[in-house]
This record gives sequence, structure tokens and C-alpha cells, in this order.
Amino acid sequence: AIRMTQSPSSFSASTGDRVTITCRASQGIRSYLAWYQQKPGKAPKLLISATSTLQSAVPSRFSGSGSGTDFTLTISYLQSEDFATYYCQQYYSYPHSFGQGTKLEI
Amino acid sequence: EVQLVQSGAEVKKPGDSLKISCKGFGYSFTSYWIGWVRQMPGKGLEWMGIVYPGDSQTRNSPSFQGQVTISADKSISTAYLQWSSLEASDTAMYFCARTINHDVFDVWGQGTMVTVSP
Repeated sequence: AIRMTQSPSSFSASTGDRVTITCRASQGIRSYLAWYQQKPGKAPKLLISATSTLQSAVPSRFSGSGSGTDFTLTISYLQSEDFATYYCQQYYSYPHSFGQGTKLEI
Repeated sequence: EVQLVQSGAEVKKPGDSLKISCKGFGYSFTSYWIGWVRQMPGKGLEWMGIVYPGDSQTRNSPSFQGQVTISADKSISTAYLQWSSLEASDTAMYFCARTINHDVFDVWGQGTMVTVSP
């Protein structure tokens, strides 16, 4: 099974900051990577698929990049509603494993 | 509106059986795979497996193989996750979600909390 490792596990930031979350796969997954946002008590929400394709209604301050084994999620100008936990997921091979999550705190 | 609506919270004892459900609304249920994701208290997301309601094909995570059964009934647009004998370690929130090409999950259910306690 492919192991997904995110860094950092938690991060403190302020509104207006630019933040980057990293996701590393234990083997190459081409561009088969997604990012989700989860707020407390809620279901996850798909933000980005295929490494960099923003889902409809997701603000353009979110962006994704990478390929192979190393990927990043960048939030260019943090808003208050962005404080949440973020997960990467590979869907290159089964099981479609998630990273352990990155909690973004104020 | 596209929705997945899950069954309500459950409190069970170790050794009990359980089947939770996920019903699709507002789209062609047989055109999308449905997956299940576990989230233990305070922990991350774990991919359990997926089912294609059109023909009941499944893809299961080895971590959950033999522990749970994933199925679907296309006639009532409902997918299921079931256990034959629950353990305390099954205590978690379980989410269902749909995926069109057995890849990313674009629509999620609200989650079903399962608590297993003596």
C-alpha cells in the first residue's frame, strides 16, 4: 500500500498569511492526488483533484502542484474560514490512502 | 440537489452486528461508485473500500478486508457498510462518499457515528 506523509502535522498561522502544506507519497503516483478540507464535526470537502484542478466554488487562493512523489497545497492569503484540517489522498492504486492530516490553527 | 444521506448514530455492544446505510439523491445512483471512510475519534481519514451499485463490484482495503462488508442495493439507491461482530475499536465516525471513476470523493454524506461499548 502507498503511504502518504503530510508535513507539518499542525501549523499556526494568521489571516493574510501564505501557507504551504506538503504531501509525500512512498512511491510515484503520477498526478493522482487530491486535497480535502475538513472542519470540526463536518464531512470532508474536496478542494483539488488531479494535483492542481480546483473544484467549482473553491476560492482561487487555493492551489496545488507537484507530480510523482512530492506535492503541495498552497493557500495564498489565509482567510478565517480556512482554519481547518487538510488531507491529501492518492488514487493511483488501491487502497486510495489519505495522509495523516495537517491542522491549520490560528 | 445531489446528496448522500446516512443513517443515524448507533450505540452497540461488542459482538453485536450492525448495518449502516447511505442513500443517494439527485443523481443517477448506478453511475457512481460509493466509498466508505473511517475516522476514529480525534484521528485522520482511512479509506475502507468502494462499491459500484450498477453491478455490486467492490474494491476493499486490506486493512478492513474480512472485518466489514460493503454492498449496495441499486433498486433503492442505497449503499451499506456492515459488521458481523463489532469490537470496541470499531468506535468511529463513518462517512460515505461518491466517486465517478473510483477516484476522488466529490460528494460526502453527513457521517454516521458508531459507538461500541460494553
